[in-house]
This record gives sequence, C-alpha cells and structure tokens, in this order.
Amino acid sequence: DGGITQSPKYLFRKEGQNVTLSCEQNLNHDAMYWYRQDPGQGLRLIYYSQIVNDFQKGDIAEGYSVSREKKESFPLTVTSAQKNPTAFYLCASSIPGDYGYTFGSGTRLTVV
Amino acid sequence: GQQVMQIPQYQHVQEGEDFTTYCNSSTTLSNIQWYKQRPGGHPVFLIQLVKSGEVKKQKRLTFQFGEAKKNSSLHITATQTTDVGTYFCAGRRSNYQLIWGAGTKLIIKP
Repeated sequence: DGGITQSPKYLFRKEGQNVTLSCEQNLNHDAMYWYRQDPGQGLRLIYYSQIVNDFQKGDIAEGYSVSREKKESFPLTVTSAQKNPTAFYLCASSIPGDYGYTFGSGTRLTVV
Repeated sequence: GQQVMQIPQYQHVQEGEDFTTYCNSSTTLSNIQWYKQRPGGHPVFLIQLVKSGEVKKQKRLTFQFGEAKKNSSLHITATQTTDVGTYFCAGRRSNYQLIWGAGTKLIIKP
C-alpha cells in the first residue's frame, strides 16, 4: 500500500541535542512538507520541497534543517537552536499544484 | 500577512445534532481544502473547493465556498460518534502553499 512512514512515533531527547525525524513516502509524490502542530493551533509549515535537491523555508524554519537527496525521503533535523522543540511533527506529500496532502502518522518529540 | 480564521474552537453536541465550522480569510483564496484529524491521529484530506459559490456533499457532510472566495463552511448533519475529531480548513495562498485554520474540535456529549 502507498503511504508516508514517519519514525519514530515517540521521541525523547535531552535539551541541547540535535535529533533527526524520518519521513519516507512511496506515493511517487514530488512535493513534500514538514509541519509542526502545537495544542490548540493549526499546522505551521517548517520546510517544503517541490523537487529533489531543492527545498524552501516555511514560516517557522529557524532551528530546523532538512535535506532532499531522494524523491522518497525528506528528513527533518531539529537542532539545539530551536528554542521550544517539544511538539507533534507531521510530514506530508502531494502532487505539486492544487491537490490534497497525504500525511504521515506523525512523530511526537519531547525534549527534557 | 494572509490569515485564515476558523470558528468555533470547540463545539459540543449531542449525538444526532448538527455541527458547523466556519473559516474566513483576510484575502481571496484560489481554493480551500478541508481535513479531519481524529484524536491522536493525523490530518486526512476530505475535499477541495475551487469555484466561487461551490457546494459539495459527502454523505452527511456539506462543504461550501463563499461567492467572494474568502469564506467556507463545513456542516455535518446528525452527528455520529465516528465524526469526533478536529476539522481544519486550509486555504491556498498565492504562492501555492496552504495556510491553515486553527481547527474546530467536535466533541460528542455523553
């Protein structure tokens, strides 16, 4: 079955450590996105990529980094520069243009 | 900047009652999408509205896009326990990215 796999589902890290969240899709979608969701708020865009080897900052990119070396993969690194990293992180993909997004099941990151 | 306001934040209903959530944009949208997120889950795409004044139905769900393409609504008739979750609208920006409402949480009263 086609879909998006995010791993791990839950992640705990100590403050000051970088952590990388995995996102893999087998939908053959060109566009991929990373969102952050905090309680009571909508989704906020961190980074997006419309094509391999290219990505753009979203609204809240500070403290995050990404890479897009393969069409299927779009990992997100949460760096120690991110002041409040505890959140629910969602990866999504789509066909570029006016189409709905397919989301992964998310990673809940807790930094202690 | 462009914003999409979604109200109400929460709606408590008895099973069988109707539910409505509204989205309003400060600027004209090229289209609007609706998603449902079950508790503990991830957003799932429901529908996209593109045309001014468009109305689409999915069983008990009715989606509307305003004439000015600045507002939209989702109405659920005769809610069931399976409808529980948070409903998000997301408007398409001029640069093709989505701008999300904060969501309306549908809670069924016991």
